[in-house]
Amino acid sequence: AQSVAQPEDQVNVAEGNPLTVKCTYSVSGNPYLFWYVQYPNRGLQFLLKYITGDNLVKGSYGFEAEFNKSQTSFHLKKPSALVSDSALYFCAVRLLSGNTPLVFGKGTRLSVIA
Amino acid sequence: EPEVTQTPSHQVTQMGQEVILRCVPISNHLYFYWYRQILGQKVEFLVSFYNNEISEKSEIFDDQFSVERPDGSNFTLKIRSTKLEDSAMYFCASSDGFAGNTEAFFGQGTRLTVV
Repeated sequence: AQSVAQPEDQVNVAEGNPLTVKCTYSVSGNPYLFWYVQYPNRGLQFLLKYITGDNLVKGSYGFEAEFNKSQTSFHLKKPSALVSDSALYFCAVRLLSGNTPLVFGKGTRLSVIA
Repeated sequence: EPEVTQTPSHQVTQMGQEVILRCVPISNHLYFYWYRQILGQKVEFLVSFYNNEISEKSEIFDDQFSVERPDGSNFTLKIRSTKLEDSAMYFCASSDGFAGNTEAFFGQGTRLTVV
């Protein structure tokens, strides 16, 4: 069975500092990995995905994520945080084959402090 | 930019009542999904739908739940007899691809409160 773990409920970072939101996964097979962001009163917005190839994936709003197969991790990063990045971030995994559903982590709330 | 829209944004219903949550997926998408998020918990998969039939459903999606695409644009989730534990945020999503590498686009959610 697929599962995703986001070990931190809350991450606080000062504006301008680098940020990391952690995600580890467990699947039997090759995963597709996704990050979504949820702003207040909004739906889940797609940020980026890892399919294959370069382990460093770049996405929207300056975010990137690094796929590490040996550590089964897919941490979200940004070199310089903005106050507007404050939101709820979800990591998700999906199996290689078929119309399998996304399996989400429980989410990490990011607060960027001015 | 095309988006998935959901109505209503918030619904309050009495236990035992039927509710219908509505979604308009992105127009050229063919795969539709419902997820839910109980307050403070994970986003959980309920059901996927393609070609006018359910592709996959989770154990949460029991006989109290049903989905329908009544016309070319709407996708609905019906809960026949709501329970207190059905209170959650319900998200509709759609995608244009079948393969696992296709991202799904989500609506803003309907907050269902069962009292």
